[in-house]
Amino acid sequence: SAVISQKPSRDICQRGTSLTIQCQVDSQVTMMFWYRQQPGQSLTLIATANQGSEATYESGFVIDKFPISRPNLTFSTLTVSNMSPEDSSIYLCSVEGGAGANVLTFGAGSRLTVL
Amino acid sequence: DQQVKQNSPSLSVQEGRISILNCDYTNSMFDYFLWYKKYPAEGPTFLISISSIKDKNEDGRFTVFLNKSAKHLSLHIVPSQPGDSAVYFCAARAGAQKLVFGQGTRLTINP
Repeated sequence: SAVISQKPSRDICQRGTSLTIQCQVDSQVTMMFWYRQQPGQSLTLIATANQGSEATYESGFVIDKFPISRPNLTFSTLTVSNMSPEDSSIYLCSVEGGAGANVLTFGAGSRLTVL
Repeated sequence: DQQVKQNSPSLSVQEGRISILNCDYTNSMFDYFLWYKKYPAEGPTFLISISSIKDKNEDGRFTVFLNKSAKHLSLHIVPSQPGDSAVYFCAARAGAQKLVFGQGTRLTINP
């Protein structure tokens, strides 16, 4: 299965600032997925990033708040803009494949704390 | 609307005994179900899955049971080992739709 590297692994941010999370995959993939896990909550899909086109955002998530780049088939970034304490979460990058086409492989996640 | 629910936030089991993690869902269109395990500071890793055409799938110490009429899914781990201590997420999808996750259950195996 694919190996996914995410950075930063964790960060403490000030309210009102923005932070960009990077996701690198060791193989070419068509779609990359960005998830959020708020404390004690389930994993929620933010958006799907396709190379060469605009990301597709889920209900409740907008491009102005979570701009995504997908410059090539192995790399994507997610920016969390104008952060507030409510954005304190683990942000996870994932791709399909691994034990089967229906299975997602995840990166280790980026734990953001907003003060 | 929480389509996949794990009503037990935590579970504590004695080493060597059976661990049973439960998951309920509301969407009757779900046709594929997965369990993920997550250790601290790591991403979730795939554990086992089951298609809606089956009611049981087994892989070593892990067995997943599906009761479609009750819209209920369970993961059995036997015998439980200390390395099984982790957060377990149930997930489901309908066809090519996105995966929907439950809130997770923290399993602690006591020596």
